Amino acid sequence: DAGVTQSPTHLIKTRGQHVTLRCSPISGHKSVSWYQQVLGQGPQFIFQYYEKEERGRGNFPDRFSARQFPNYSSELNVNALLLGDSALYLCASSLGREVLETQYFGPGTRLLVL
Amino acid sequence: RKEVEQDPGPFNVPEGATVAFNCTYSNSASQSFFWYRQDCRKEPKLLMSVYSSGNEDGRFTAQLNRASQYISLLIRDSKLSDSATYLCVVASGNFNKFYFGSGTKLNVKP
Repeated sequence: DAGVTQSPTHLIKTRGQHVTLRCSPISGHKSVSWYQQVLGQGPQFIFQYYEKEERGRGNFPDRFSARQFPNYSSELNVNALLLGDSALYLCASSLGREVLETQYFGPGTRLLVL
Repeated sequence: RKEVEQDPGPFNVPEGATVAFNCTYSNSASQSFFWYRQDCRKEPKLLMSVYSSGNEDGRFTAQLNRASQYISLLIRDSKLSDSATYLCVVASGNFNKFYFGSGTKLNVKP
């Protein structure tokens, strides 16, 4: 069975540009969450989507946006890139909204902003 | 105050040693708890869920103390392959929002 997939695997951008990252959840999973992980830190929650609606948002500026499509795949968009946006961006999927439910992570997209 | 706090380590231990990691969380309404393992430049992978009664999976034992808002992970008979960063995760809210600690790095030496 395919796990969570993300594309691209690596990306290099310059300050001020925008970027779109993509995620496909495990088949049957309806919830997708996005995380940012900078070097030496744990992942930080950015967004959670369930059934195509935003269900949670972390402490990130409005430059970050996301959406979920009818097939439950998701995009994360970041505008006006800053050097500090350089990080590993992780997507995680889960079945839905149940408590005690775990999340399964994709391999991530490594973004470098120059 | 951070939602989840962990000792960053690194913990350097010989093969066969027993090592314990601790984690504290700030939100008393947190509902579910996990330990994830992350290898260098890889994604986090679920190691085990943590239940109030404590749970064991082979060489790994996890404990939860809700009164003290404290989670622990014990690894017995450490193997070289256990070398990784161990992330404590606390989830809360209607949609099980995950909060990660900064991770504890374990190095198991021959």
